[in-house]
Amino acid sequence: SNELTQPPSVSVSPGQTASIVCSGDVLGNRYASWYRQKPGQSPVLVIYRNDKRPSGIPERFSGSNSGNTATLTISGTQALDEADYYCQAWDSRTPCVFGGGTKLTVL
Amino acid sequence: QLVESGGGLVQPGGSLRLSCAASGFTLSGYWMDWVRQPPGKGLLWVSRINSDGSATPYADSVKGRFTISRDNVKNTLHLQMNSLGAEDTAVYYCVRYNAVQLNAFDIWGQGTVVTVSS
Repeated sequence: SNELTQPPSVSVSPGQTASIVCSGDVLGNRYASWYRQKPGQSPVLVIYRNDKRPSGIPERFSGSNSGNTATLTISGTQALDEADYYCQAWDSRTPCVFGGGTKLTVL
Repeated sequence: QLVESGGGLVQPGGSLRLSCAASGFTLSGYWMDWVRQPPGKGLLWVSRINSDGSATPYADSVKGRFTISRDNVKNTLHLQMNSLGAEDTAVYYCVRYNAVQLNAFDIWGQGTVVTVSS
């Protein structure tokens, strides 16, 4: 399967750790990337090659990819982290596939 | 920076041509993609074009109807969309794929809205 599955929503209290998982067969041998999208804005890359942060992305953002599951972790979550998060990977059959997106709510 | 244009309201069965102007980098050095987002929904990959335009894969949902192209001299990317249906209504993003350094989409345009309705 070339699908990526994410939970529709995740809630976290300010200062706590949020984890968003992304599962799919393609993740077993492909890099995972993560994008953050705030309402009315274009997506922004927050993690690439499973666990690398682009310049300008805070250290509290981290990623991992093991087996068929990629995980985005936000430590010390802040209100400004509230957004939709999408995982993405490449597949030999479909050049690009996105997860369905996870709405992160900071309560 | 990427700036899309060409979106608008079109009737079912009609056509539109989207354009994406790149600045601050040379388009010819990168694969470029179109990604769309239906209202209230998630991101969907549409198409890609490699550096010299020789490879242009498409999502099954648009294959045979959409054509991606690039003009490396004018630093511009295009998406010709024909036989449009309501399911094509979305924000269309022009996106740069950074294969060498990141293996990820590192620059996104602001998006252009396409609405297919009678």
